[in-house]
Amino acid sequence: AQSVTQPDIHITVSEGASLELRCNYSYGATPYLFWYVQSPGQGLQLLLKYFSGDTLVQGIKGFEAEFKRSQSSFNLRKPSVHWSDAAEYFCAVGPYTDKLIFGTGTRLQVFP
Amino acid sequence: NAGVTQTPKFQVLKTGQSMTLQCAQDMNHEYMSWYRQDPGMGLRLIHYSVGAGITDQGEVPNGYNVSRSTTEDFPLRLLSAAPSQTSVYFCASTTKGGNEQYFGPGTRLTVT
Repeated sequence: AQSVTQPDIHITVSEGASLELRCNYSYGATPYLFWYVQSPGQGLQLLLKYFSGDTLVQGIKGFEAEFKRSQSSFNLRKPSVHWSDAAEYFCAVGPYTDKLIFGTGTRLQVFP
Repeated sequence: NAGVTQTPKFQVLKTGQSMTLQCAQDMNHEYMSWYRQDPGMGLRLIHYSVGAGITDQGEVPNGYNVSRSTTEDFPLRLLSAAPSQTSVYFCASTTKGGNEQYFGPGTRLTVT
């Protein structure tokens, strides 16, 4: 079955600390992979995506993610977190850019 | 461009009532989708469309109908609302072969 697992429901970090959000997927074919961010009461904003090529992809707001086929993972990283990064983060997989399967999300809390 | 717009922003229904959630996009995107977001479950695909006159079911289609008479509009109909349909509904669109799916701001629906 196709699925996305985000094992961390809630993560708390201090401002300035590094961040890694985990994402593992199960997908039959070569997937398109995405990370979205959702601020409270808002819609979803695309942070970054992986289609093919270089397995380390850069996104907006200083985020990056690494695709590891052998581990079926697409973890999101940021070297130094800002208070404005507090939000919910969703990993998603799909055959293209639509019909996405989303993970259950990781809520990030940032302490000053 | 207004992007993807959704109306209403909030709605309260009684069990058994019907209503239509509106979604429109002005980007001439062929593909449109409806997702619902529930706490701890991420976003799940309800219905999608790859063009005017073509719709198909997603992961959780029961209790919802859609139609696509124009490229711009993709309404979601609840024929007989149930408390289990209390959720936040997101409409999204993308173009064939596109790099990103664009999400609307969401409709928060409560069924009592």
